[in-house]
Amino acid sequence: NAGVMQNPRHLVRRRGQEARLRCSPMKGHSHVYWYRQLPEEGLKFMVYLQKENIIDESGMPKERFSAEFPKEGPSILRIQQVVRGDSAAYFCASSPGDRGQAGELFFGEGSRLTVL
Amino acid sequence: QKEVEQNSGPLSVPEGAIASLNCTYSDRGSQSFFWYRQYSGKSPELIMSIYSNGDKEDGRFTAQLNKASQYVSLLIRDSQPSDSATYLCAVNYFGNEKLTFGTGTRLTIIP
Repeated sequence: NAGVMQNPRHLVRRRGQEARLRCSPMKGHSHVYWYRQLPEEGLKFMVYLQKENIIDESGMPKERFSAEFPKEGPSILRIQQVVRGDSAAYFCASSPGDRGQAGELFFGEGSRLTVL
Repeated sequence: QKEVEQNSGPLSVPEGAIASLNCTYSDRGSQSFFWYRQYSGKSPELIMSIYSNGDKEDGRFTAQLNKASQYVSLLIRDSQPSDSATYLCAVNYFGNEKLTFGTGTRLTIIP
């Protein structure tokens, strides 16, 4: 499967626990984006990464949220001490990084986080 | 103030008719415009991109851009039940890699 792979697809956590969401971009893609979608709302940008670099994290909450895209392995979105308001679908998207195609993103199936 | 606005719908259109989806944006620095389709419980899928004023056609889909009016639309001709989905308008601002999405318009095609 050459698409954007996210796991887990569904994750249940209790308040105060940690959530780790993983994303492997499409083959050949070097740019990764994380978006959050609350029920009945649009997609909200969180962070944009390239390998070993955070390029734009303007959409990330200041506390408890972090993201990385290491040289080897998937990108990881980490949410510490989860609260009920973190319940949402978290979508990862990738692009090849050609600025002429900026905005033409390929999305994964999403990770749906439920905080009890 | 929202940066990208869409009518949330739902918009109901008879099968075979033209569905018209509209989107306005607030920042004149906007550079690129996109329409994504999202089926319920699924991931967004890019269906159209448009970068310059005018119309762009791809099969049954036509995107229209008017930068002076800060308006972008999507027309779906010969609507099919499989077109029933939420359509997300997205804007890319100059010098910025991230997309800003509207809240989406839910479209239902009635057989």
